Order: sequence, then C-alpha cells, then structure tokens
Amino acid sequence: DGGITQSPKYLFRKEGQNVTLSCEQNLNHDAMYWYRQDPGQGLRLIYYSQIVNDFQKGDIAEGYSVSREKKESFPLTVTSAQKNPTAFYLCASSPQSAGSEAFFGQGTRLTVV
Amino acid sequence: KQEVTQIPAALSVPEGENLVLNCSFTDSAIYNLQWFRQDPGKGLTSLLLIQSSQREQTSGRLNASLDKSSGRSTLYIAASQPGDSATYLCAVIMIKAAGNKLTFGGGTRVLVKP
Repeated sequence: DGGITQSPKYLFRKEGQNVTLSCEQNLNHDAMYWYRQDPGQGLRLIYYSQIVNDFQKGDIAEGYSVSREKKESFPLTVTSAQKNPTAFYLCASSPQSAGSEAFFGQGTRLTVV
Repeated sequence: KQEVTQIPAALSVPEGENLVLNCSFTDSAIYNLQWFRQDPGKGLTSLLLIQSSQREQTSGRLNASLDKSSGRSTLYIAASQPGDSATYLCAVIMIKAAGNKLTFGGGTRVLVKP
C-alpha cells in the first residue's frame, strides 16, 4: 500500500543527545514536510523539501536539521540545541504542483528524559 | 500573516445529532482548504480538500463548504456516531507561500456521546 511511514513511534532523548526521526514515503511525491505538534496548539512547520538535495527552513527550524538525499526519505534530526524538544512530530508529503493535497504519517512522539 | 482559527476548541453532542465545525482564515489568497481528522496519538487523515474555485465538497456523511470572500469554511458531519469522536483540523495553502506549506488552525475536539 502507498503511504508515509514514520519511525519510531516513540522516542526518548537524554539531555544533550541528538536523535533522528525517520520518514519514508512510497507515493512518489516530490515535496516532503516536517511539522511539530504541541498540546493545545496547531501544527507548526519545521522544514520542508520540494526536491532531492534541497530543503528550506520553516517557522521553527532552530535546533533541527534535515537531509533529502533520496526522493523517498526525509529524516529529521533533533539536536541538543533544541531546548524544548518534547512534542509530537508529523511528516507529510505532497505532489509538487501548487495546491496539492497533503498526506501525513502516523507521527513520532519524542520525550526528553 | 495568515491566521487560521477554529471555534469552538471542543464540542460535545449526543449521537445522531449533526455536527457543524467552523474554520476561519484572515487572508483569502488561498489555493485550497483541507480538512483533517486526528485520533489521539495518531497522525492526520485527510477528509476533504476544497479548491479555491469550489464552493463545497462532499464525501459520504461529510460536507465541507468554502466561502473565500468571507474567509470561512464549515465542515458538516451528518448523523454523528461515537466513532466520529476525534480532533478535526483545517488548514490552508496560501498562493504566495512557496512549497505548498499548510497553515493550520488549532483544531476542534469532538466527543459524540452514545
């Protein structure tokens, strides 16, 4: 089945540690996105990529990094510079054409311990 | 800057009643508006996508309307069922924003009581 797979479902990070969240899609979409969701708040954009080997900062990119070496994959690294990383992270993808429908993965819940 | 608002933040109705969920946005220069459903601890499921040239979109018991000039969209769910309990989010893609980025409302948490 076509879709977006995020892993792991739950992730625990120690203070000062970098962690990487995985996002893979087999929908053949050019564009991929990372959003962060905090309780009681709407989703906020961290990074997005419209094409392989290119990505752009979103509204809250500080403390995060991404790569886009393959069309299918868009991993997100939460670095130690991110002071409040505990949140629910959602990956999405869409076709390149303007106004296309977006599809989301099942999310990764990151907790700092 | 685009602001998307969903009021109320939470809603409780008895089973069988029709649900009416509201979404408002401040900038009408949008490509489309998308409604999503989110179950607790899960990702977003796309329900309906309304292009800016459309007035409404229907899928089964769901009907979404769009009034771009007034900056409003409404999601109607007919004959609600306990399985409709979830958080419903609306989001817009702005014409002047690069990359099909979505701007989300804060969501409406719905509880349908048996």
